[in-house]
Amino acid sequence: DADVTQTPRNRITKTGKRIMLECSQTKGHDRMYWYRQDPGLGLRLIYYSFDVKDINKGEISDGYSVSRQAQAKFSLSLESAIPNQTALYFCATSDPTDRGYNEQFFGPGTRLTVL
Amino acid sequence: DAKTTQPTSMDCAEGRAANLPCNHSTISGNEYVYWYRQIHSQGPQYIIHGLKNNETNEMASLIITEDRKSSTLILPHATLRDTAVYYCIVNNNAGNMLTFGGGTRLMVKP
Repeated sequence: DADVTQTPRNRITKTGKRIMLECSQTKGHDRMYWYRQDPGLGLRLIYYSFDVKDINKGEISDGYSVSRQAQAKFSLSLESAIPNQTALYFCATSDPTDRGYNEQFFGPGTRLTVL
Repeated sequence: DAKTTQPTSMDCAEGRAANLPCNHSTISGNEYVYWYRQIHSQGPQYIIHGLKNNETNEMASLIITEDRKSSTLILPHATLRDTAVYYCIVNNNAGNMLTFGGGTRLMVKP
């Protein structure tokens, strides 16, 4: 079984709808991240959390919100989806105490299309 | 975190060594060089990292220049499955956040 899972894997929605993307991990890591990737570009950080109840904005947080319900779960919400939020979304986890360096483990991604 | 510069794309023959360069001329003394790769829209995968010394693991070798302003990732015997986008990232570990640039698209050809 995968260590980092994301649901759904694909989603098509309409402008104005509220969407939630879920991420779960079994690695026991404290730190979790949400990234966005647009075609042909690198990943950009949306939000990150270093522990339950810790939430921090990343590079492109506008239009998004997150919830860290438990150590293993980190959800990303689009309150009112718009077409330019069409992208590939990745969740990642890390624990700096694991071998003492910054290896992040990524989920398989969620492809979101906003019409 | 320091900015990195990588070639947009490279080709490599199957079985030959793939050498992927990265410039990070503004790197700070406490910043590490990390390499990740992304195979066809999958989640990025960690490859290797280093601070000053050259590093080798089962996937690749990392050569860092003495002044630390550039580095090279070496895949010693590239296979078709190594076709991917390779990202060079400089990070100081403390913030634990990765800043991805455009990366290098490596195409391994038969």
